[in-house]
Amino acid sequence: QKEVEQNSGPLSVPEGAIASLNCTYSDRGSQSFFWYRQYSGKSPELIMFIYSNGDKEDGRFTAQLNKASQYVSLLIRDSQPSDSATYLCAPTKRGYSSASKIIFGSGTRLSIRP
Amino acid sequence: DTAVSQTPKYLVTQMGNDKSIKCEQNLGHDTMYWYKQDSKKFLKIMFSYNNKELIINETVPNRFSPKSPDKAHLNLHINSLELGDSAVYFCASRPTEGEQYFGPGTRLTVT
Repeated sequence: QKEVEQNSGPLSVPEGAIASLNCTYSDRGSQSFFWYRQYSGKSPELIMFIYSNGDKEDGRFTAQLNKASQYVSLLIRDSQPSDSATYLCAPTKRGYSSASKIIFGSGTRLSIRP
Repeated sequence: DTAVSQTPKYLVTQMGNDKSIKCEQNLGHDTMYWYKQDSKKFLKIMFSYNNKELIINETVPNRFSPKSPDKAHLNLHINSLELGDSAVYFCASRPTEGEQYFGPGTRLTVT
């Protein structure tokens, strides 16, 4: 079982619709969950993070976390062509030291069609 | 005032050569990382240093050797380069707990 699983896509969504990106993770000890966006040829950049079960909203983005199901998702409302990118799910995992490490999924490629 | 910088941005070299990539962060973070992103876009952690101490060493060929002269710098030296080493290498830094900040990446092409 992969540590982080995401549908690779591409996920095609019409402009203005809601894009839903899903992720499951294997480490029950994961405490923090990050969503990164990566445009082609660029480095990953943080979109949102979530620590507690439930929903967390930031502008057009909503992160949802269900630790019992080991599931985290990202919703993008009113999708724009500029949202077309690869979205990386990244839970933390306890590492060799007291600090945790971030494990990245393989990403879901999102395409917003005008 | 770039937070995490890497040099060079592009590196084209022949098989068998030795090359180095440098990384510097001015965020004051204690932990730095090297990641490899292959053609399938999978971002795989390679190494991590915390205050100059190696804390993560994933299954990476020993041709790859990281070096951290101080907590603001983490360099990656690669010996005897192979075709399969072609990828984008990202440096990142992170406070003890929190998000990671990535450098712009170094695209390595081995011919």
